[in-house]
Amino acid sequence: QSVLTQPPSVSGAPGQRVTISCTGSSSNIGAGYDVHWYQQLPGTAPKLLIYVNSNRPSGVPDRFSGSKSGTSASLAISGLQAEDEADYYCQSYDSSLSGWVFGGGTKLTVL
Amino acid sequence: EVQLVESGGGLVQPGGSLRLSCAASGFTFRSHWMHWVRQAPGRGLVWVSRINSDGSSTTYAASVKGRFTISRDNAKNTLYLQMNSLRAEDTAVYYCARESSTSSALDYWGQGTLGTVSS
Repeated sequence: QSVLTQPPSVSGAPGQRVTISCTGSSSNIGAGYDVHWYQQLPGTAPKLLIYVNSNRPSGVPDRFSGSKSGTSASLAISGLQAEDEADYYCQSYDSSLSGWVFGGGTKLTVL
Repeated sequence: EVQLVESGGGLVQPGGSLRLSCAASGFTFRSHWMHWVRQAPGRGLVWVSRINSDGSSTTYAASVKGRFTISRDNAKNTLYLQMNSLRAEDTAVYYCARESSTSSALDYWGQGTLGTVSS
């Protein structure tokens, strides 16, 4: 069971918008620690998608956006494309565990 | 171009040891904290360990503390993970990852190396 909770799966049709939630607690997201998001395409290594809650690294389309509020964070993907089909993970730091923590991951299916 | 290349994975019996390496290039290795993250087959990402830029400070996940040791050789631009007393549940692809210089995000990842613990 992961410290950060994500829905196991989400789906959407091409062109639609989906959101993926990441729920933490007062020892991680709620304590003010940054949230980062990673995309893992099938059979590949994870790739940084969003850093410090809402920032996109160079090369990441602006269809991807992130937000954080209280003890939760969200990743939104608009204008869904077939190549967005992947696993998405949130990550933060937990002061009770004194370590980095990941969400359990969310599998995005583009219908 | 930033590159991280892991090696050292393989098949080992329960109770055995493996030493993973991660060769870094394309950036100033000694300036970055580094991490190991693992992923069991069909499962999610799990953070394992991190080391600061000069190797003087390390942190471990509870599941590996006392069995795994992270280290680095800044002269060789290489990160290591010594894994002892291995268990079946340690079977995973092990990724090394670079921590960003401006945040706690892991901004570059290697391709991973598979460690299998089985009799």
